[in-house]
Amino acid sequence: NAGVMQNPRHLVRRRGQEARLRCSPMKGHSHVYWYRQLPEEGLKFMVYLQKENIIDESGMPKERFSAEFPKEGPSILRIQQVVRGDSAAYFCASSPARGYTFGSGTRLTVV
Amino acid sequence: DQQVKQNSPSLSVQEGRISILNCDYTNSMFDYFLWYKKYPAEGPTFLISISSIKDKNEDGRFTVFLNKSAKHLSLHIVPSQPGDSAVYFCAASDRDTDKLIFGTGTRLQVFP
Repeated sequence: NAGVMQNPRHLVRRRGQEARLRCSPMKGHSHVYWYRQLPEEGLKFMVYLQKENIIDESGMPKERFSAEFPKEGPSILRIQQVVRGDSAAYFCASSPARGYTFGSGTRLTVV
Repeated sequence: DQQVKQNSPSLSVQEGRISILNCDYTNSMFDYFLWYKKYPAEGPTFLISISSIKDKNEDGRFTVFLNKSAKHLSLHIVPSQPGDSAVYFCAASDRDTDKLIFGTGTRLQVFP
């Protein structure tokens, strides 16, 4: 039973490019959460999705960021026109109920 | 507004002694609390949780204490081992949402 799978583990993008981060939840889990950890900071909630629905996006920046969890396939966190301040570790978690299992994260570096 | 606070960014403890990590929260609607452990370049790993109907939960060397009146919880690790060296995050949620609110973490170092 594979855990939460995130890819890529490391992603380097130039300013202005798009970044796509993928997350496959644990088998049987229908809730996906995205968190961001900036250097020297804690984990900040971004968005909570269920299949084909965004439940809570209160932590998402208003511009350039979007997330989806389609009926088939992984959840995608998309960042358009990346800037240096987007450099961070992005973690996905999944759960069937309260308390999550996290993936290993994607470390995004914007150069 | 930081609803979950871990005021000690770091803690250093000798092997075999007790490690006590503290966490304070401000939202009285929180009713479920968790501790996660994180190694560098890895995702957080669930450690232990406690519901607000309890004041203590124990799992092996790890015990979490909850003081609702003080809005304070703590994680005790005894005896501490070098492999416990990691960053520990406290998290909380309320019954109306599955969203977890995390503290900023405490870096624990256990030295021989």
